[in-house]
Amino acid sequence: EDQVTQSPEALRLQEGESSSLNCSYTVSGLRGLFWYRQDPGKGPEFLFTLYSAGEEKEKERLKATLTKKESFLHITAPKPEDSATYLCAVHPYNQGGKLIFGQGTELSVKP
Amino acid sequence: GAGVSQSPSNKVTEKGKDVELRCDPISGHTALYWYRQSLGQGLEFLIYFQGNSAPDKSGLPSDRFSAERTGGSVSTLTIQRTQQEDSAVYLCASSLVGGSRGEQYFGPGTRLTVT
Repeated sequence: EDQVTQSPEALRLQEGESSSLNCSYTVSGLRGLFWYRQDPGKGPEFLFTLYSAGEEKEKERLKATLTKKESFLHITAPKPEDSATYLCAVHPYNQGGKLIFGQGTELSVKP
Repeated sequence: GAGVSQSPSNKVTEKGKDVELRCDPISGHTALYWYRQSLGQGLEFLIYFQGNSAPDKSGLPSDRFSAERTGGSVSTLTIQRTQQEDSAVYLCASSLVGGSRGEQYFGPGTRLTVT
């Protein structure tokens, strides 16, 4: 069964304190792995797509990496405005357009 | 450009009533998706449209749920005889191409409360 597990469920950081969020996945075949950011009361906002192991993508203070079993979202020197829930999703083969989401990591960055 | 829009933003309905939720995708996006996000749950896939056809309806939880898309654009998700367990945020997403490599862009959602 295709499955996505994110850890930790919640993460509290001080401003400037770098850390990483984990997304472990089990799929029969991976077309792509997606990271989204979701603010309270809003829809998920697209951040990154990763397609193959070893791939990395960066955007401002965020860097996403991918291995054959997991993905990491590294956040460097976070700011309070980075506080949000970060969602990981996989797009398996033979599943049409369906994305399978993890439960998310709720990140809080205090000044 | 304009993003995905959904209406209404909030809907409160009584148990047993029917509701219609609307999604306007990004112009030119051929694929459209509906998801549901319940409190404490992750996003749950409901249905996927490519053009006006729905090649994957596997996530619809019961026959009370149906969806259609017309003109390759607007989509409506209909829930008949609503139940309290239908209370959730219903999210719509669209992508330029369906299937493999289309990043999905989400709307703000419709919060449905069944009393």
